[in-house]
Amino acid sequence: KQEVTQIPAALSVPEGENLVLNCSFTDSAIYNLQWFRQDPGKGLTSLLLIQSSQREQTSGRLNASLDKSSGRSTLYIAASQPGDSATYLCAPGDYGQNFVFGPGTRLSVLP
Amino acid sequence: GAGVSQSPRYKVAKRGQDVALRCDPISGHVSLFWYQQALGQGPEFLTYFQNEAQLDKSGLPSDRFFAERPEGSVSTLKIQRTQQEDSAVYLCASSLRQTSTDTQYFGPGTRLTVL
Repeated sequence: KQEVTQIPAALSVPEGENLVLNCSFTDSAIYNLQWFRQDPGKGLTSLLLIQSSQREQTSGRLNASLDKSSGRSTLYIAASQPGDSATYLCAPGDYGQNFVFGPGTRLSVLP
Repeated sequence: GAGVSQSPRYKVAKRGQDVALRCDPISGHVSLFWYQQALGQGPEFLTYFQNEAQLDKSGLPSDRFFAERPEGSVSTLKIQRTQQEDSAVYLCASSLRQTSTDTQYFGPGTRLTVL
């Protein structure tokens, strides 16, 4: 059974810092991996989707990398802003469209 | 529509009552997913539909949980004889195609509280 952990559980940084969120998963037989953000009381918004054959994906200030063999993914956020404050979840997906979510990293960016 | 919608947004039920949660996916999306999210946790997979066919229901926690998507669009998640441990946010997501390469789009969720 796939198990996903995310480190740190919570993070508070001043505005403008670059930061890295870590995701680890136990079963490397994945098809892809998604990073989501979740704002309080709301659903999830997909940020980046990395296929298992890819090493990284970029969208604006966000960059996600994937090391499938070692069961790791990182989300890099450049020049953080208060609007980035949210919970960030990673979810590796298997071949059956089953995504397993980590518990999330709760990020606070202070102005 | 503009996105995935869910209703009701909040539901309070007495233990033992039956509840029905509705999901309206993005128009034309083939795949539909239900997740359960406990407080402070990531969502956990419940079930998956491809059009009207329920292809995976391995995440449903008990036979009190039932989901359907009879016409391949709107889906309903029904919970019979609710118990306190059913209290959670129930999230619905849809994706355009039937492959695993597609992004999932999530609704805002239904927060269920069982007293």
